[in-house]
Amino acid sequence: GDSVTQMEGPVTLSEEACLTINCTYTATGYPSLFWYVQYPGEGLQLLLKATKADDKGSNKGFEATYRKETTSFHLEKGSVQVSDSAVYFCALSEYEAAGNKLTFGGGTRVLVKP
Amino acid sequence: ETGVTQSPTHLIKTRGQQVTLRCSSQSGHNTVSWYQQALGQGPQFIFQYYREEENGRGNFPPRFSGLQFPNYSSELNVNALELDDSALYLCASSTLQGRSGELFFGEGSRLTVL
Repeated sequence: GDSVTQMEGPVTLSEEACLTINCTYTATGYPSLFWYVQYPGEGLQLLLKATKADDKGSNKGFEATYRKETTSFHLEKGSVQVSDSAVYFCALSEYEAAGNKLTFGGGTRVLVKP
Repeated sequence: ETGVTQSPTHLIKTRGQQVTLRCSSQSGHNTVSWYQQALGQGPQFIFQYYREEENGRGNFPPRFSGLQFPNYSSELNVNALELDDSALYLCASSTLQGRSGELFFGEGSRLTVL
């Protein structure tokens, strides 16, 4: 079945440091790929997405590129802020599965210190 | 625009009891899905409802059941509670089935089973 593996946290960074969170996936078809973010005390929010190979999703300074050859979708940001402290989830969705069923990775907690 | 709201936010039950969790979907959304998020893990898909019918189910036993109402709100029912059912239960709504994968999540109902 489908699965998503992402690096374990917590990841602790200083403000303005570079962030990379690795994500790899296993899927039978051609999934869409997503990064969701969960800020403290809030619900999950879509951060960015890519629906086909070589697509780049971007939002709020974060980027991720759909790499079919390496089955990866790594999240990157060049200069993090304290407000980026959150838990980040990589996820995939296959249309052939039940509608918008998402398969999530285990999440990576990121803590940015001033 | 009203977002996804869930109730109750926290509850405590004992093993063997039954629980009902409620979700009001975002305005204009006709699809609701439920996820279970155990502590420190990523959300796992329970099931999805579209036009008041179950439309896809994850690897959860039949004691997990649900309903969707004509106004697209939804309930998750869990019978014969077990200790491992302790988790954050997330409701998500969306406008379309298919590849968009953009789900709008509520803040969740945290269930503790003693």
